[in-house]
Amino acid sequence: DGGITQSPKYLFRKEGQNVTLSCEQNLNHDAMYWYRQDPGQGLRLIYYSQIVNDFQKGDIAEGYSVSREKKESFPLTVTSAQKNPTAFYLCASSIRQNQPQHFGDGTRLSIL
Amino acid sequence: QKEVEQNSGPLSVPEGAIASLNCTYSDRVSQSFFWYRQYSGKSPELIMSIYSNGDKEDGRFTAQLNKASQYVSLLIRDSQPSDSATYLCAVMRSGAGSYQLTFGKGTKLSVIP
Repeated sequence: DGGITQSPKYLFRKEGQNVTLSCEQNLNHDAMYWYRQDPGQGLRLIYYSQIVNDFQKGDIAEGYSVSREKKESFPLTVTSAQKNPTAFYLCASSIRQNQPQHFGDGTRLSIL
Repeated sequence: QKEVEQNSGPLSVPEGAIASLNCTYSDRVSQSFFWYRQYSGKSPELIMSIYSNGDKEDGRFTAQLNKASQYVSLLIRDSQPSDSATYLCAVMRSGAGSYQLTFGKGTKLSVIP
């Protein structure tokens, strides 16, 4: 089935640790995005990528990093510099950047 | 700061009634408008897109857009308990060679059996 796969579903981070969230899509979409959702808050854009080997910072990029080496994959690393990483992380993709976005099932990150 | 405003609710309607969800946006050059449904603990699901003034119907859902008033709404006819969720309004605008999608904080809808 075509779709967006995020893994793991739940992730726990220790102090000073970097963790990487996986996002893979088989929809042949050019654009991919990472959002963060906190309780009672709207989605906030972390990073986005319009094409392979190119990505741009969103509104809250500090403490995060991404790569886009393949069209299908857009992993997000939450670094130790992100002091408040506990949130629901959502990956999305769209055919092109001006088209509707579709979301994966999300990853919940918590601090140990 | 470009904003998208929604009443957080909760909005409670009886089963079978019409639920009306509203959204206002601040950026006049916004071009595309979307409604997402998000069940508790789940990811958002796209349910409606609207690009021009007027109404767009899809089954029990109708999206309404009024660009002059900077207002977009979602009507759900014959509301069912399974419609109980948070509804997110999202507004897209272009600028500097890219497109930006801004989400509202969502309206929580509760359909009472």
